Amino acid sequence: DVKVTQSSRYLVKRTGEKVFLECVQDMDHENMFWYRQDPGLGLRLIYFSYDVKMKEKGDIPEGYSVSREKKERFSLILESASTNQTSMYLCATSAGYSNQPQHFGDGTRLSIL
Amino acid sequence: DQQVKQNSPSLSVQEGRISILNCDYTNSMFDYFLWYKKYPAEGPTFLISISSIKDKNEDGRFTVFLNKSAKHLSLHIVPSQPGDSAVYFCAASAETGGGADGLTFGKGTHLIIQP
Repeated sequence: DVKVTQSSRYLVKRTGEKVFLECVQDMDHENMFWYRQDPGLGLRLIYFSYDVKMKEKGDIPEGYSVSREKKERFSLILESASTNQTSMYLCATSAGYSNQPQHFGDGTRLSIL
Repeated sequence: DQQVKQNSPSLSVQEGRISILNCDYTNSMFDYFLWYKKYPAEGPTFLISISSIKDKNEDGRFTVFLNKSAKHLSLHIVPSQPGDSAVYFCAASAETGGGADGLTFGKGTHLIIQP
């Protein structure tokens, strides 16, 4: 079974803080993704990575950056947190060939006060 | 512009009957479609997928149908069970190779199975 672990289930931070969300996978998957889920909006793609040190912008990258220094770890960084970044953040991974499903972690519910 | 649409925010079905969840898409480049199930406070769980070269895929109680000309897919669950109560998301991708494509999700349908 694919195991995708997000470091925190719940996180509370203050406006202006730099926030790190960590995701680790144990399946040697090439591809890793960050989404956010908001009520009434479904899941939206923030950033993804198809290899170490590679990153691509998703649909809503503004206010975020990512880091992938090792294959198994993908970090999402909020450079200066704002209240509109309060959300559920979900990490996903997939194998590096076509038509493979993405597998998700349990999410981090982030509140920015 | 919403490229993947789930027009029913909620659906109530009696236990034992068939549940049919619908999804429409607008992007003709989409060629891989998936259904996910999500319980509160958990991440989405992959259920079933279909590529555009097929029109049907079955896995146990779950069947996905794809109608490319209508840009429509549906998920059939039969028979429906109480544990099927969850939010179901339809998702799609335009495969450009290597699987490194983000998914475009619908907003979800909350399925409620009545005893």
